[in-house]
Amino acid sequence: EAGVAQSPRYKIIEKRQSVAFWCNPISGHATLYWYQQILGQGPKLLIQFQNNGVVDDSQLPKDRFSAERLKGVDSTLKIQPAKLEDSAVYLCASSLDLAGGLEVDTQYFGPGTRLTVL
Amino acid sequence: AQKITQTQPGMFVQEKEAVTLDCTYDTSDPSYGLFWYKQPSSGEMIFLIYQGSYDQQNATEGRYSLNFQKARKSANLVISASQLGDSAMYFCAMREPTTGNQFYFGTGTSLTVIP
Repeated sequence: EAGVAQSPRYKIIEKRQSVAFWCNPISGHATLYWYQQILGQGPKLLIQFQNNGVVDDSQLPKDRFSAERLKGVDSTLKIQPAKLEDSAVYLCASSLDLAGGLEVDTQYFGPGTRLTVL
Repeated sequence: AQKITQTQPGMFVQEKEAVTLDCTYDTSDPSYGLFWYKQPSSGEMIFLIYQGSYDQQNATEGRYSLNFQKARKSANLVISASQLGDSAMYFCAMREPTTGNQFYFGTGTSLTVIP
């Protein structure tokens, strides 16, 4: 079974530029998550989709970040314009989302995209 | 209040020895799940082990076991027979179905295995 795919793996941009990340979850996984992980910290949830609907985007800086999950499969995360403090690893994860929200529903992560903003 | 607390920023262990990584959690939900992930320097988060709040026995997966003490709200990870490849960051996480199945991560523990 293929894992979570992300691209690109690395991206270097200058501040005020735009950048987009792509994620393809594990086939059949209903829930998709985007996390931001700053060096030395744990992952911070940016947005959570269930199928193509947003479940939680309370920590997404909506003035510059946007995300979509068209057709409930692939997802893109965009930053426009980027700031220096956006330098981080952006992790995508997916989970099956068993009926009833059983706690056994494990998240599986992609390799991440390491963003450097100069 | 922090949902997940990992109090050990860094740990060292001798190769072939066992090591315990601490994790405490905070929830008022009766149903929840606890997870441990390993993050090597390559950056990918690797799922290690899961413990459900209703599980009567401690979870085990190969050299990994979870010391689950529900009354103390702790879920420590035990790695037996440490190997050099175990050197990585380790994150404890919790999932609460009543909060939209959101995952809460701790700040992580950096484990270094010494040859």
